[in-house]
Amino acid sequence: GQQVMQIPQYQHVQEGEDFTTYCNSSTTLSNIQWYKQRPGGHPVFLIQLVKSGEVKKQKRLTFQFGEAKKNSSLHITATQTTDVGTYFCAGNRDDKIIFGKGTRLHILP
Amino acid sequence: GAGVSQSPRYKVAKRGQDVALRCDPISGHVSLFWYQQALGQGPEFLTYFQNEAQLDKSGLPSDRFFAERPEGSVSTLKIQRTQQEDSAVYLCASSLASTRPYEQYFGPGTRLTVT
Repeated sequence: GQQVMQIPQYQHVQEGEDFTTYCNSSTTLSNIQWYKQRPGGHPVFLIQLVKSGEVKKQKRLTFQFGEAKKNSSLHITATQTTDVGTYFCAGNRDDKIIFGKGTRLHILP
Repeated sequence: GAGVSQSPRYKVAKRGQDVALRCDPISGHVSLFWYQQALGQGPEFLTYFQNEAQLDKSGLPSDRFFAERPEGSVSTLKIQRTQQEDSAVYLCASSLASTRPYEQYFGPGTRLTVT
């Protein structure tokens, strides 16, 4: 069945370093969404990408959707302690939404 | 404005008991989703409603799981004869959209522990 793979599973970075998480699908996606879940919290919608090759920025966050619409990435520049949490990508095919397992980001002070 | 609310926030059930989990979506949101999230995992899709119609229930793990949204607003996820493997956080999400892409707003979840 359709899978959405996310790597890495965990990432520890020093505060101020950059961070990237990657999302890969076995099939073409109609769109992809990114969510952030703080420890003990619930997923919070960050952004969605629809077009092939699309790039969107939100302050220090840059989101990309691959040309083949099978992969995506989230890059955070100069991480801050408030960036701590788990970042999930979610792929949309038909009406089903498939979440990756997430990348847990730890920030070392 | 009010977000998605879920109740109860925590539920402890003995194996074999039935449980009912409630979701109040954002007012006016057409689409409603239920997910199961195990510890350290991503949300796993269970079922999807568009208004009162259950359009996809392919993610429900067994016939012990049942969901309804009779008036197209509040939804209830019912689990019959709970098993230990049902222990997880059950998340509800709603979306204004009736077609993809769905920008989903999640509730705080119900943490179910089956003993």
